[in-house]
Amino acid sequence: QVQLQESGPGLVKPSETLSLTCTVSGGSVSSGSHYWSWIRQPPGKGLEFIGHIYYSGSSKYNPALKSRVTISVDTSKNQLSLKLTAVTAADTAVYYCARRTVAGIIDAFDIWGQGTMVTVSS
Amino acid sequence: DIQMTQSPSSLSASVGDRVTITCRASQGISNWLAWYQQKPGRAPKLLIYAASSLQSGVPSRFSGSGSGTDFTLTISSLQPEDFATYYCQQPNSFPYTFGQGTKLEIK
Repeated sequence: QVQLQESGPGLVKPSETLSLTCTVSGGSVSSGSHYWSWIRQPPGKGLEFIGHIYYSGSSKYNPALKSRVTISVDTSKNQLSLKLTAVTAADTAVYYCARRTVAGIIDAFDIWGQGTMVTVSS
Repeated sequence: DIQMTQSPSSLSASVGDRVTITCRASQGISNWLAWYQQKPGRAPKLLIYAASSLQSGVPSRFSGSGSGTDFTLTISSLQPEDFATYYCQQPNSFPYTFGQGTKLEIK
């Protein structure tokens, strides 16, 4: 079955860029019914949608983060990536990659990675 | 942004109880609503999509209903593994938003 695995530094300094990768196994990022997403969860808090990308490279970002976020996809490696610039302590969170399936009546995040904790601190 | 408001924020119940969690959207979203279960230290798990459709592999004691702005998640007979935090989420309007969560605890 499809599995997602996030990877990247667990500690980022303030004002620097957070970079994460999500590797997709058991399936292809090039499948047409899926958007590949990043979602984050600050410690003890709720879930925030960051943005998503289609295999074609078309992406869309949460306006609250749009000026700092870039999501890219590498179909040859079956990976997606997240870059978040100018980070502050408020960006400390568990970052999840998730597959959003849009087909017929389903429109939901049906597969999630295990998440990776990123702490912003000097 | 569409605001999703869940109630209650926390709930204590016993094994075997019937439990209902409510989610209200700040504007109409038809039946475009999903429910997720999250256990401590784990990623969320999709339970229900399109307000009332059960995700494959999810026990039938979970059910969802509603449309427009008001939705409910019901667990018909709580099992020990159901104690977790539950989130609603709307995929109707960008940016997609989640409720603040309902923590279901053992009484």
